[in-house]
Amino acid sequence: GAGVSQSPSNKVTEKGKDVELRCDPISGHTALYWYRQSLGQGLEFLIYFQGNSAPDKSGLPSDRFSAERTGGSVSTLTIQRTQQEDSAVYLCASSWSPYEQYFGPGTRLTVT
Amino acid sequence: QKEVEQDPGPLSVPEGAIVSLNCTYSNSAFQYFMWYRQYSRKGPELLMYTYSSGNKEDGRFTAQVDKSSKYISLFIRDSQPSDSATYLCATLTGANNLFFGTGTRLTVIP
Repeated sequence: GAGVSQSPSNKVTEKGKDVELRCDPISGHTALYWYRQSLGQGLEFLIYFQGNSAPDKSGLPSDRFSAERTGGSVSTLTIQRTQQEDSAVYLCASSWSPYEQYFGPGTRLTVT
Repeated sequence: QKEVEQDPGPLSVPEGAIVSLNCTYSNSAFQYFMWYRQYSRKGPELLMYTYSSGNKEDGRFTAQVDKSSKYISLFIRDSQPSDSATYLCATLTGANNLFFGTGTRLTVIP
């Protein structure tokens, strides 16, 4: 079946602009996660949605970052007033169980 | 101290070799341990997960957890060039998100 999809695959933006990254999870998966992967830093947890519960936003690095999940399916990660340190690969994962997370291909964000 | 520490390598081995990849973790409360494989410019792919201590085998891959020393390992037997990738260990927190190691880049030379 279809896996997790993310769009765009690449995004180049100017410092100070806002960007939106989209994630389409696997159908039926109740949990959705956003991670950030920077060169040499590994994957960093950002935010977690589980069903209709309030999201766990504990990993968001600043108030410029926000995310929403509409109808328990598609999620959008928004970064406002982008900075160069926001350049990274943003990965989305979905799951039925927290120890079997399935990742999308990621969005490579470059802030110039 | 990071929740999960992993030797970044890189590691190069000849085809057919046995590969050992290792991580340590800090919190004795962690119960689930995962290994992911990530090819260049792709998302991580779950290889296997283990619960608590012990071994789990899947084909040429064996995951091992030693909770007494907070040490997790992935062994790859008869390594193949297609195994060349970055391998990431991870543990599951009580909040249901994953802590990842930084990854070990493996190259299997034909």
